[in-house]
Amino acid sequence: DQQVKQNSPSLSVQEGRISILNCDYTNSMFDYFLWYKKYPAEGPTFLISISSIKDKNEDGRFTVFLNKSAKHLSLHIVPSQPGDSAVYFCAASASGRDDKIIFGKGTRLHILP
Amino acid sequence: NAGVTQTPKFRVLKTGQSMTLLCAQDMNHEYMYWYRQDPGMGLRLIHYSVGEGTTAKGEVPDGYNVSRLKKQNFLLGLESAAPSQTSVYFCASSWTGGTQPQHFGDGTRLSIL
Repeated sequence: DQQVKQNSPSLSVQEGRISILNCDYTNSMFDYFLWYKKYPAEGPTFLISISSIKDKNEDGRFTVFLNKSAKHLSLHIVPSQPGDSAVYFCAASASGRDDKIIFGKGTRLHILP
Repeated sequence: NAGVTQTPKFRVLKTGQSMTLLCAQDMNHEYMYWYRQDPGMGLRLIHYSVGEGTTAKGEVPDGYNVSRLKKQNFLLGLESAAPSQTSVYFCASSWTGGTQPQHFGDGTRLSIL
């Protein structure tokens, strides 16, 4: 039973345009969400996070939106750059209840020149 | 500043052989994790530790054992390797669980023939 779902295995976006990566979750106990970025032959690196008390968090070109009623979050990258080509993992945790973070399967983002 | 270091980076084993993967972190983190990444499966938690001398099972613990004798080291053991354990293994560490971003090593690519 997948608790964190990234339904798009891959996404291609033109350089300079907006990239939108989506993530859905099923566990209503999740209250903290994170996005990680992974390049080939490297470990994932933390990108941005959001607590369930917020509906938006922004860090430079990256913005995460959270819709708790829909159990949905999205990562927006504006403008998209070639170095953004990577696999993006959505992750969620039930802070205070669990020490673990549950990861989605990832979305591979291709930024086209 | 090394962060999280995994040893070895690559290894080929024969079915039935045993081996130990070493993870070392220099950030004085309390929490450490072992994940495996398989194509189309995302990151799945094998075992984790919330402090020196502690270990706990994750999502896919069967066939693996772990030890955390020193705070900075987290060892993952395969007692009798099976082809199903062919994967890329990632170690991660964090200050606490849940809301704290995890810092990942660059992975160990393990092939079981």
